[in-house]
Amino acid sequence: DAMVIQNPRYQVTQFGKPVTLSCSQTLNHNVMYWYQQKSSQAPKLLFHYYDKDFNNEADTPDNFQSRRPNTSFCFLDIRSPGLGDAAMYLCATSRAGLATDTQYFGPGTRLTVL
Amino acid sequence: GQNIDQPTEMTATEGAIVQINCTYQTSGFNGLFWYQQHAGEAPTFLSYNVLDGLEEKGRFSSFLSRSKGYSYLLLKELQMKDSASYLCAVRDSNYQLIWGAGTKLIIKP
Repeated sequence: DAMVIQNPRYQVTQFGKPVTLSCSQTLNHNVMYWYQQKSSQAPKLLFHYYDKDFNNEADTPDNFQSRRPNTSFCFLDIRSPGLGDAAMYLCATSRAGLATDTQYFGPGTRLTVL
Repeated sequence: GQNIDQPTEMTATEGAIVQINCTYQTSGFNGLFWYQQHAGEAPTFLSYNVLDGLEEKGRFSSFLSRSKGYSYLLLKELQMKDSASYLCAVRDSNYQLIWGAGTKLIIKP
């Protein structure tokens, strides 16, 4: 089945210790998104890739970086995690150009910062 | 500013019908989405409306009125597994998705 996969599902890191979250997709979608979602809040878009073009949201902290080495994979790097970065990180994909351009989500990675 | 409003929490009874409302104020409009999100899981796509009217999909229906900036999600024959948060999201004129905080739906036997 075509899908969006995120690894790991749960990640525990220490304050200030870099962490990388990964996302892969078999949907052959050209757009990939990273969201941060805290409990009972709306998902917050961090950045997205339209093909190879990187689009950073204005209020995304510099502490968050992303890489998309190919169409299928996208990584989220948190260089120095703080306690406030504990959240669910969601990867989503879409096929731009379709009328609906619906975003499909992976299962998420729950990040704990100690 | 851009804003999506949904009730924070609703309670309904198994087998009943519930309507979850969403009002929006955005810079332009290019479609409205409803997603279901179970606790600790990712959102899953439920419905998409871009024209006024009702879209029906099994037990779930979604309605849109663009002139009123208003949508609702109607869930019929409620089941316990429908206990989840329901997120409304609007795509604006820049094709950005503006998300509501979600409505937590509690189903009681």
